[in-house]
Amino acid sequence: QQQVKQSPQSLIVQKGGIPIINCAYENTAFDYFPWYQQFPGKGPALLIAIRPDVSEKKEGRFTISFNKSAKQFSLHIMDSQPGDSATYFCAASNSNTGKLIFGQGTTLQVKP
Amino acid sequence: GAGVSQSPSNKVTEKGKDVELRCDPISGHTALYWYRQSLGQGLEFLIYFQGNSAPDKSGLPSDRFSAERTGGSVSTLTIQRTQQEDSAVYLCASSLAQGWGSPLHFGNGTRLTVT
Repeated sequence: QQQVKQSPQSLIVQKGGIPIINCAYENTAFDYFPWYQQFPGKGPALLIAIRPDVSEKKEGRFTISFNKSAKQFSLHIMDSQPGDSATYFCAASNSNTGKLIFGQGTTLQVKP
Repeated sequence: GAGVSQSPSNKVTEKGKDVELRCDPISGHTALYWYRQSLGQGLEFLIYFQGNSAPDKSGLPSDRFSAERTGGSVSTLTIQRTQQEDSAVYLCASSLAQGWGSPLHFGNGTRLTVT
């Protein structure tokens, strides 16, 4: 019940494409759903986060879509750029504990 | 220098030796987390500190792993009698508090290689 399942494991798109990464969770007590971006040799950095009381959140070219009934959420990257090539992790937590449970990660490559 | 600092950045040790990994969180951050990232894997939760106490140690893989935090600041993760399966990147994160609106800030990790 503590798992967060992420797919796909890897993704290749052309510059300007819209990669979509999906995550699913089981624990209905989760109330915080962030996405982290990680470049090689660096720690993950928060990209965008959403609460379950909204269905969509946009920040720049990054959008989270959230489906509470299906217990799924996804990250869309608009107009993707080669600089977006990185590993992306979804995560979930209960805000009472703060402990993030991470998905397995998606390695994104954006070709020029 | 406002980020989370971890040292050493790389550590190579022989099987059976003990290692200590250090984390300096962002000043004023009360919550501190340790995660482990194995090659091609996600981040595995190890332990969480609120101040100097550890209310959640559920992710520590075995009794060879321990961690402490002193003065509500620096934390040390100790692995005794290291095994090859301990090879991974150990990441530390801190946050201002727990809960929504207090994102985790990660350090760049310590890459541990057990030979």
